[in-house]
Amino acid sequence: DIQMTQSPSSLSASVGDRVTITCRASQRISTFLNWYQQKPGEVPELLIYGASSLQGGVPSRFSGSGSGTDFTLTINTLQPEDFATYYCQQSYSTPLTFGGGTKVEIK
Amino acid sequence: EVQLVESGGGLVNPGESLRLSCAASGFTFSTYSLNWVRQAPGKGLEWVSSISTSSTYIYYADSVKGRFTISRDDAKNSIYLQMNSLRADDTAVYFCARGEAVAGRFDYWGQGSLVTVSS
Repeated sequence: DIQMTQSPSSLSASVGDRVTITCRASQRISTFLNWYQQKPGEVPELLIYGASSLQGGVPSRFSGSGSGTDFTLTINTLQPEDFATYYCQQSYSTPLTFGGGTKVEIK
Repeated sequence: EVQLVESGGGLVNPGESLRLSCAASGFTFSTYSLNWVRQAPGKGLEWVSSISTSSTYIYYADSVKGRFTISRDDAKNSIYLQMNSLRADDTAVYFCARGEAVAGRFDYWGQGSLVTVSS
């Protein structure tokens, strides 16, 4: 199974900050990497697919990069509505696996 | 508007069975793969199962293989998850999620259905 490791597990940031979350796969997965946002009590939402493609309707302050084993989700100019938990997910092979999540909290 | 609505969750004893349903609308159901993803209370996301168009390909997580069965009924725009031999660690909110490809990304999610396994 492919293990997905996110770091950090949590972070504190202020509105307007630039935030970077990393996700590492235990083996090469090309760009079969997706990012989701989940706000408390809400359903996960797809932000980024294929490592760097922005899902329709997602603000352009979100961006993704990486290939192989190392990936990054960047949020430029953090907004109040961005405080949430973010998950990466590999879709390279089954079993599909998620990272443990990164909780972005208000500083 | 794409909508996925789960139903069938509830409280069951260990060893019992439960069947979840997911009713879809707002898209051409037969052309999409569907998935179940679960989230235990206060925990992260865990993929459970995927079913392709025409039920050609079906995949399960090892943790549910042999106990859970995914199926779809294109005439009813619905998928199902038959869960047998339920265990306490199956307690979670179960989300139905759409995917363009089988076992790929999940672009729309339902609100979830809570399954609690406890005596």
